[in-house]
Formats: sequence, C-alpha cells, structure tokens
Amino acid sequence: SQQGEEDPQALSIQEGENATMNCSYKTSINNLQWYRQNSGRGLVHLILIRSNEREKHSGRLRVTLDTSKKSSSLLITASRAADTASYFCATEPGGGNKLTFGTGTQLKVEL
Amino acid sequence: NAGVMQNPRHLVRRRGQEARLRCSPMKGHSHVYWYRQLPEEGLKFMVYLQKENIIDESGMPKERFSAEFPKEGPSILRIQQVVRGDSAAYFCASSPTRGETQYFGPGTRLLVL
Repeated sequence: SQQGEEDPQALSIQEGENATMNCSYKTSINNLQWYRQNSGRGLVHLILIRSNEREKHSGRLRVTLDTSKKSSSLLITASRAADTASYFCATEPGGGNKLTFGTGTQLKVEL
Repeated sequence: NAGVMQNPRHLVRRRGQEARLRCSPMKGHSHVYWYRQLPEEGLKFMVYLQKENIIDESGMPKERFSAEFPKEGPSILRIQQVVRGDSAAYFCASSPTRGETQYFGPGTRLLVL
C-alpha cells in the first residue's frame, strides 16, 4: 500500500449520518493534513494535525492521529449533501516540503 | 487576501507543443509546490520551490519538465514537447514557511490531443 492510503475508497450515507474515513501511512511524519476536493475542482484544506497531537476539532470535523499505528481518521458529523466530495489525507515527513497524498475516499451524502 | 491563483484553468495542446502553467502564490507566501493529478488518482508531488531556488525536484520527470519561481512574477511549470500522457490536472500550492499548511489553487487542466 502507498503512503497516505484512505479507507474506504467510497462511502455512501444519508444526510444527517456521520461519516468516518481512515488513512494509513508508512513513514514517520511531521504532520498530517486532510483536504476535500469537489469533482473537477481544486483542493480545500480542512485540518492539520501535528505528530504530537492526538485529536483536533473544527466545526463538524474531528480528526484523530495515532502515530503508533501510523493511522488517522476523519469524522464528519451530521453530514449534509454539500459534504459530497473526495477526501484526501496528506502526510508531510519531517523536513517539511512535499505532501504525499492517498488515493482518496469518495463520499456521497444522499438526501 | 486572494488565494492561490493559477492560469490558464484549461489548456489544450497538440502533441509536440509546449505547455506553460502559471501560479501566483498567496500574498506573503514564498514557498511554492507543484503537484499532478491523473484521473481518479490522488495528487503526486512534482517540485518545491522557494524564490529563485528549486528546493526539491524529486517528483519531476527527468526530461521535458522544468519549473521556476523568479524573484518577480509567478511560478512557471513548463512542459516541452507534450505527449498524451501529460494530460492531467496540475495543481500549485503555497505556504508562508516550510512545514506549514499548503493552500492549493484551482488547478490547470491540461489536455493533450
């Protein structure tokens, strides 16, 4: 598997439900970032969690990081149709330059 | 404060032509990164530049691709003698310092006929 691999690849839920996406990575990191991409559009930065942090919140988003398991999760609570998008995790190794992206989770929130 | 700007948004080239993609980072950002996204895939790092310097080009193909970030003006990603396999979305990101959040532009979608 590649650095920054998301699971599941696709997720379909009803509006109002929670959506959980997972990301696994292989090497040590400085931080991990989650991005959203609407179809055919650019990336929107959601949240950055540093290697010394375990949990972070931003609005309806909750991100956890377990460096011992080299994994992170993104939880979107009370999902809305507008949350329909692809979600990518991106890891940044120590040294701080390039991000390594996973292949993404395609989330579909149905009315 | 305008975000990262990229132009053109869409670019069509015939095989063998040159493609020039431009990126203006956010105000106050001196670090620029280029990524490529093939259909149905995640983004792949290409190159990291700071004003007038290439810091990391480990993701750049060895031939036909080059990047610059001059003292004045936007960063340029240049692809010479394009081939169909170069068709992709090219994203630019910028950050104020190394290791901070990277903010992405809307991308340039290159189609090689």
